[in-house]
Amino acid sequence: SQTIHQWPATLVQPVGSPLSLECTVEGTSNPNLYWYRQAAGRGLQLLFYSVGIGQISSEVPQNLSASRPQDRQFILSSKKLLLSDSGFYLCAWSLTGQGDQETQYFGPGTRLLVL
Amino acid sequence: GNSVTQMEGPVTLSEEAFLTINCTYTATGYPSLFWYVQYPGEGLQLLLKATKADDKGSNKGFEATYRKETTSFHLEKGSVQVSDSAVYFCALSDLGRDDKIIFGKGTRLHILP
Repeated sequence: SQTIHQWPATLVQPVGSPLSLECTVEGTSNPNLYWYRQAAGRGLQLLFYSVGIGQISSEVPQNLSASRPQDRQFILSSKKLLLSDSGFYLCAWSLTGQGDQETQYFGPGTRLLVL
Repeated sequence: GNSVTQMEGPVTLSEEAFLTINCTYTATGYPSLFWYVQYPGEGLQLLLKATKADDKGSNKGFEATYRKETTSFHLEKGSVQVSDSAVYFCALSDLGRDDKIIFGKGTRLHILP
């Protein structure tokens, strides 16, 4: 069966510091991968999605970036964090090829607080 | 473009009450519709889905019927429990358009014992 991992679970960082959040998926090949942000008490905002290694689409221009160095690894980064980057970051995956390609499966999330 | 509108919360009910969370959508194609649930401090979990008109998705006592004539996918449960307290997201996916899911803004549900 497939599983998705995110780490760290919680992170407190000062303004201006760098960021690296990691997401990995097990039990499937060539998944689509997604990064979302959920601000406190608000809905989901799609930040990036990837349909393959090195292929990243950005939904919202901002000081965040994403990379996919391996098939099942998706990394969210920033060179300098802003206060407004605080939130709950969710990684998700979906199947490609055969099977249910519409449903997305979410990781446990990383709670980021920028001070 | 495609969009999802769901009722704003929070919704507060007593245990064993009947639940309805309204969701309507706008889509140019033939989307699949979803309800996801997010328990406190966790990621989203798929609750149920329906892939075509008149389909009914169901899980854990929750139901939703894909109504094309009213472009709706309302979530219902006959008797809620305290453990149902969570945020519920209505969503749609249109693979003929792209690989993304469009989410509603979420409805927070509080169930009082």
